[in-house]
Amino acid sequence: GAVVSQHPSRVICKSGTSVKIECRSLDFQATTMFWYRQFPKQSLMLMATSNEGSKATYEQGVEKDKFLINHASLTLSTLTVTSAHPEDSSFYICSARRTEDSYEQYFGPGTRLTVT
Amino acid sequence: LAKTTQPISMDSYEGQEVNITCSHNNIATNDYITWYQQFPSQGPRFIIQGYKTKVTNEVASLFIPADRKSSTLSLPRVSLSDTAVYYCLVGGDRGSTLGRLYFGRGTQLTVWP
Repeated sequence: GAVVSQHPSRVICKSGTSVKIECRSLDFQATTMFWYRQFPKQSLMLMATSNEGSKATYEQGVEKDKFLINHASLTLSTLTVTSAHPEDSSFYICSARRTEDSYEQYFGPGTRLTVT
Repeated sequence: LAKTTQPISMDSYEGQEVNITCSHNNIATNDYITWYQQFPSQGPRFIIQGYKTKVTNEVASLFIPADRKSSTLSLPRVSLSDTAVYYCLVGGDRGSTLGRLYFGRGTQLTVWP
């Protein structure tokens, strides 16, 4: 149990275009989902916290207009990178928390974004 | 956030025991110590969590001295598949801070045949 999937696993897009990444909790309902970014040889950086039915909370320094997050259901959160640039190329990882009583986060397999 | 310090990298050989130490001098009274493992191009995975003394599960052991200013993750008889980055987090349950996880630099463990 507690499986989180991401789609796509890899995506290449041209500079200036937008790309959407999906994060799904397959066998549980996730009231809260999180989005992380990881550059090569670096640690995970928390970008935002996504709560179902409400606006996402962004970490300091993360542009909310560039990284649009939608958490429309208890099993799906999406991250849209708008007007992507090469410096947005990174590994994007989501995680999901089962209930508000548990701090356990289940991580997805990540999405490799390359902007050319 | 309680700051943590870990070695950037460690090397070991198959079959050896590996001990990774994390310093957290400013740990608060209510803080837990939590370790995660991350393989390349995958999300992190929870390994173990403790508050004091020693905790052991099927994967690892966690040793915490009385002053709790450091902790040591012990991996018995490592194999090539243990090559990964190991993160030490200090905070609430599962290393969270207000429900969020903030990862430090981690330790790259490389296991050689």
